Amino acid sequence: QKEVEQDPGPLSVPEGAIVSLNCTYSNSAFQYFMWYRQYSRKGPELLMYTYSSGNKEDGRFTAQVDKSSKYISLFIRDSQPSDSATYLCAMSDNYGQNFVFGPGTRLSVLP
Amino acid sequence: DVKVTQSSRYLVKRTGEKVFLECVQDMDHENMFWYRQDPGLGLRLIYFSYDVKMKEKGDIPEGYSVSREKKERFSLILESASTNQTSMYLCASSPGLWGYTFGSGTRLTVV
Repeated sequence: QKEVEQDPGPLSVPEGAIVSLNCTYSNSAFQYFMWYRQYSRKGPELLMYTYSSGNKEDGRFTAQVDKSSKYISLFIRDSQPSDSATYLCAMSDNYGQNFVFGPGTRLSVLP
Repeated sequence: DVKVTQSSRYLVKRTGEKVFLECVQDMDHENMFWYRQDPGLGLRLIYFSYDVKMKEKGDIPEGYSVSREKKERFSLILESASTNQTSMYLCASSPGLWGYTFGSGTRLTVV
């Protein structure tokens, strides 16, 4: 079993849809949870991060962490074609000794 | 904004060549990383460095070496390039244990 699992997609949605992107993980020591967005032919850029469980909102983006289920989510409201990218989850323990990326989900938002 | 600059966007090298990939960051970050990214496998850590002249092996160091003579510069060296090293190579830097800033990547093809 991989340490972090993520559906690779591709996921295609119409403009304006609510998008849900998810990761599951197996290491209960993970405390920091991040979402990166990677446009084609570019490096990943940090979108959001959360510490431990709970929700965090930033504009149209909401990150959710459920440590009891070892499950994290990124919700995108009112999705736009400019949101078309690969989204990678990443997580780390408190000491940064174990920093792991998910394989990424490719999202296409169709106009 | 932190900038992480990778010297080449595309490289084509022959099997057996020694290959140098250069990375420079401009925000005085302590930590620098080299990843490779392959479809279906996600980001895999090759080497990282927490300080000048310091290096630590990541998950897949075989066939690679690194050099960090100055804080801002982290070089990845393929001692004798092979076709299975054809990949996207991403450099990143961070001030702490997470929150990486990535470069735009170097797409290396070994023929």
